[in-house]
Amino acid sequence: NAGVMQNPRHLVRRRGQEARLRCSPMKGHSHVYWYRQLPEEGLKFMVYLQKENIIDESGMPKERFSAEFPKEGPSILRIQQVVRGDSAAYFCASSPPTGVGGYGYTFGSGTRLTVV
Amino acid sequence: GQQLNQSPQSMFIQEGEDVSMNCTSSSIFNTWLWYKQEPGEGPVLLIALYKAGELTSNGRLTAQFGITRKDSFLNISASIPSDVGIYFCAASGTYKYIFGTGTRLKVLA
Repeated sequence: NAGVMQNPRHLVRRRGQEARLRCSPMKGHSHVYWYRQLPEEGLKFMVYLQKENIIDESGMPKERFSAEFPKEGPSILRIQQVVRGDSAAYFCASSPPTGVGGYGYTFGSGTRLTVV
Repeated sequence: GQQLNQSPQSMFIQEGEDVSMNCTSSSIFNTWLWYKQEPGEGPVLLIALYKAGELTSNGRLTAQFGITRKDSFLNISASIPSDVGIYFCAASGTYKYIFGTGTRLKVLA
């Protein structure tokens, strides 16, 4: 009965490298949401995915960031050519096929990305 | 864009005291939620509200969905040291949640 699983918990990358963040939703959940949290700030929506579909990526920077949720396997948030400003905590949440409704998300523990 | 104004930003209180925090917006929302985040962890849902005027309790926590659908408050009664953390309000029209900037609560034993 595992919750939303994110890995790695901590990731250090040098400027210019690629960062790959993984999210496995709760069992039975087919909707995934990615949020970013900068230090001392609230969470900001990035992207909403269903299996093999990007539903809403309005919060995602247009360049260097991409997300996918394949038919098999975890959802991946990919950041290419990372810069110091990408340092943040990235949280994934999931909801069942009926959508989030009024019940709120279940968040994972996050991946803390540090760009050096 | 839409944003939530959460206050206070931080509070230091004595154990046993009651705590009140609120969240306001210029936009109308269908759902209000309150989350708690502890260091190094993801936010954990405390209370969800989806009807204007609704008052909901969860143990020592009580939250209300404002009648105008533009605000919500959270009360914690008889605080204890483990209440320490950051409390976030969040609001939604559909699937996308907007989060407040958080209220940092510290409880002095």
